[in-house]
Amino acid sequence: DAMVIQNPRYQVTQFGKPVTLSCSQTLNHNVMYWYQQKSSQAPKLLFHYYDKDFNNEADTPDNFQSRRPNTSFCFLDIRSPGLGDAAMYLCATSRGLAGLDTQYFGPGTRLTVL
Amino acid sequence: ELKVEQNPLFLSMQEGKNYTIYCNYSTTSDRLYWYRQDPGKSLESLFVLLSNGAVKQEGRLMASLDTKARLSTLHITAAVHDLSATYFCAVDLVNYQLIWGAGTKLIIKP
Repeated sequence: DAMVIQNPRYQVTQFGKPVTLSCSQTLNHNVMYWYQQKSSQAPKLLFHYYDKDFNNEADTPDNFQSRRPNTSFCFLDIRSPGLGDAAMYLCATSRGLAGLDTQYFGPGTRLTVL
Repeated sequence: ELKVEQNPLFLSMQEGKNYTIYCNYSTTSDRLYWYRQDPGKSLESLFVLLSNGAVKQEGRLMASLDTKARLSTLHITAAVHDLSATYFCAVDLVNYQLIWGAGTKLIIKP
């Protein structure tokens, strides 16, 4: 059974056209993360929620925002995608903070920007 | 600043051989994770190493942690083609964040 679900799996958007990526989880985990991963690179943390508390990484561009309306769902909004935002976007969850609990990753959404 | 270095970054080997991937980190940490990623896919958790001297094994993979040396190893025994993937180690900070190594791309030739 899928535990961390991401939709869509592939997203194509135009330069500057807003896009929203979705993540849901059936694990009832407190923490949800969004990562950006470019080809042949390690994942880069964008932000995370601990329950409803939002934490933004210092170098995450303002162009990226997130919402977590309830425990199960989290969204990544890219307000004005640029060519450099083309990447795989990974959602992850953990029961507690990363130092204490393993992060479980969803299958990812591959974003293409034309 | 915590840095995590993996080596090698690329490894091509024949089936049946043994090899080791190394993960060095620069600051004290008691928790280290190994993940596997297949091309175009997501990350799969392999091992969580929580204390000095921890050793975990799953099939042909064995991971160990030496917190004093700030070193973790991922040892592959009698490699098979299905183990071809990119392997990442990640070290936790005291809060929520994982610091990731650059990844080791492993190709195992039949």
